[in-house]
Amino acid sequence: GDSVTQKQGQVTLSEDDFLFINCTYSTTTYPTLFWYVQYPGQGPQLLLKVTTANNKGISRGFEATYDKGTTSFHLQKASVQESDSAVYFCALVPDTNAYKVIFGKGTHLHVLP
Amino acid sequence: EAAVTQSPRNKVAVTGGKVTLSCNQTNNHNNMYWYRQDTGHGLRLIHYSYGAGSTEKGDIPDGYKASRPSQENFSLILELATPSQTSVYFCASGGQNSGNTLYFGEGSRLIVV
Repeated sequence: GDSVTQKQGQVTLSEDDFLFINCTYSTTTYPTLFWYVQYPGQGPQLLLKVTTANNKGISRGFEATYDKGTTSFHLQKASVQESDSAVYFCALVPDTNAYKVIFGKGTHLHVLP
Repeated sequence: EAAVTQSPRNKVAVTGGKVTLSCNQTNNHNNMYWYRQDTGHGLRLIHYSYGAGSTEKGDIPDGYKASRPSQENFSLILELATPSQTSVYFCASGGQNSGNTLYFGEGSRLIVV
């Protein structure tokens, strides 16, 4: 079945460090891929999404490339700030089942000042 | 701006009691969802709906019912609350008319004692 894997449960960085959050997916369809961010005390919100293979999504300094070859959608940011501390979820919507969103377990990013 | 409103935001219930969590969306999205979020489990889908009058089981429906009386409203019902249902619950709306992006509410924190 469709699945999303985020192996990093928690990442701790200092300000201005490079961020890399791993996300891989498994599906037999042509999915839309998402990153959601959840700030403390809030619901998740869309960070970026990519609908087409080999395309890159960019938002608020974050970027992720839909790599169909490696079935990955890793999230990167060149220089993190303390305000980026949040939980990040990778997600996919399978092409044939648009009602269902498959979420990874989330990565808690803690940025030290 | 897409808007999803949940009530109550905080609730303490007694074991065996009935709890109703309500959700209202003004986005005119066809699909609505109820998730629970627990440490180590990410977001888990309880029930979802394609539109008024429809409810479908998600991945963890046991102990929960759902009701979608209108396009705007989607309720989650715990007929006999148990301590294992202590969690944070999120409602979301979305669907093809949102590009499959989910819009989440702020969450409802439920404690069952």
